[in-house]
Amino acid sequence: AQSVAQPEDQVNVAEGNPLTVKCTYSVSGNPYLFWYVQYPNRGLQFLLKYITGDNLVKGSYGFEAEFNKSQTSFHLKKPSALVSDSALYFCAVRDQYSGNTPLVFGKGTRLSVIA
Amino acid sequence: DAGVIQSPRHEVTEMGQEVTLRCKPISGHNSLFWYRQTMMRGLELLIYFNNNVPIDDSGMPEDRFSAKMPNASFSTLKIQPSEPRDSAVYFCASSLMAGGSYNEQFFGPGTRLTVL
Repeated sequence: AQSVAQPEDQVNVAEGNPLTVKCTYSVSGNPYLFWYVQYPNRGLQFLLKYITGDNLVKGSYGFEAEFNKSQTSFHLKKPSALVSDSALYFCAVRDQYSGNTPLVFGKGTRLSVIA
Repeated sequence: DAGVIQSPRHEVTEMGQEVTLRCKPISGHNSLFWYRQTMMRGLELLIYFNNNVPIDDSGMPEDRFSAKMPNASFSTLKIQPSEPRDSAVYFCASSLMAGGSYNEQFFGPGTRLTVL
């Protein structure tokens, strides 16, 4: 079975400070990992993905995520937060060998960047 | 590319009425997903199609919900009869799955449904 956990419902950070949104996963084989962002009244937007290769993945809007196999984590990071980064963030996973199945999404973490 | 297109963007209806939500996936994508999002339950997968064929509808909450994909460029989600607890934002997403590779899902803007 595949699953993903986002342990924090809410993350607050001051503008200009680094931010981290946590994600851990569970799959039988190798994971495909994704981060999405949802701004108010919008659909989910793809940020970045890890399929294979370099453990540090860079994505849109200055975000990056680090795949850590031993800790089964894929935390989203940004060196300097902007107020405009305030949104709902979803981590998603799929097992490499699960066939053509959908992504499994976490419950989401609401990021609030305070000026 | 215009992305995933959903219509209507907003729907307000009365309990008992039929509601039809529409989705046009990204051209060339062969998988389509319907999700529902509420504050209480978060993002829920309702049903998904591969090559226009429904693969898993276990997320459809009740028989009042049905979905079709008559061709590669169009899908509908129908609720009949609608109830107030169906009020939510419904998202359609599409992706390209081919030859063992896996690409990200692209989401539409959603349809906000309010059932009075």
